Amino acid sequence: DFQMTQSPSTLSASVGDRVTITCRASQSIRSSLAWYQQKPGKAPKLLIYDASSLQTGVPSRFSGSGSGTQFTLTISSLQPDDFATYHCQQYNTFSRTFGQGTKVEIK
Amino acid sequence: EVRLVQSGAEVKKPGDSLRISCKGSGYSFSNSWIAWVRQMPGKGLEWMGIIYPGDSETSYSPSFEGQVTISVDKSINTAYLQWSSLKASDTAIYYCARQLRGAAAGPFDYWGQGTLVSVSS
Repeated sequence: DFQMTQSPSTLSASVGDRVTITCRASQSIRSSLAWYQQKPGKAPKLLIYDASSLQTGVPSRFSGSGSGTQFTLTISSLQPDDFATYHCQQYNTFSRTFGQGTKVEIK
Repeated sequence: EVRLVQSGAEVKKPGDSLRISCKGSGYSFSNSWIAWVRQMPGKGLEWMGIIYPGDSETSYSPSFEGQVTISVDKSINTAYLQWSSLKASDTAIYYCARQLRGAAAGPFDYWGQGTLVSVSS
């Protein structure tokens, strides 16, 4: 069964920190990976697609990298607005699977 | 401006039927896939299925095949998610989302505001 595994599940950080979240696919998905940000009570927001392309309007402190089975989302300098849950999603296979999410909390 | 506006929250009993909707505007509705995504309380996102309004071609996640029906009325730019017999375990927020790319698989660039479905006896 195809799986996307995110780590960590929770991350405590301070404003200004560099933050990295990892997503691993159970088989190669080439670069067919997106990252979303979700705040409580709100719909997800697309941040990164095709592993490293920044969606229009998303601040440049967000970046994505990786291909094949290992991917990372990096926030270069964490801002107060960035405390949220982050989800990865693959769209290489039929099932368009999401990871389980990473909650970024205030340290 | 691209918008997806979903129908309001629903409170239902086990065994009830239900159809929720997602109305698109600000873009060519027929030419972009619309997906449905479930989020159970305190949990992650689950892709349920996707439909192409232009020809109603539909694909379902194996986890949801036979459990729900996805349909569309392109004349009113609206997609639907339907249950014939709800269970308590269907309690969740359901989102519709537009796929970024028209033909090839892609990420979801616009999302509806979500519809909360509560099922309880």
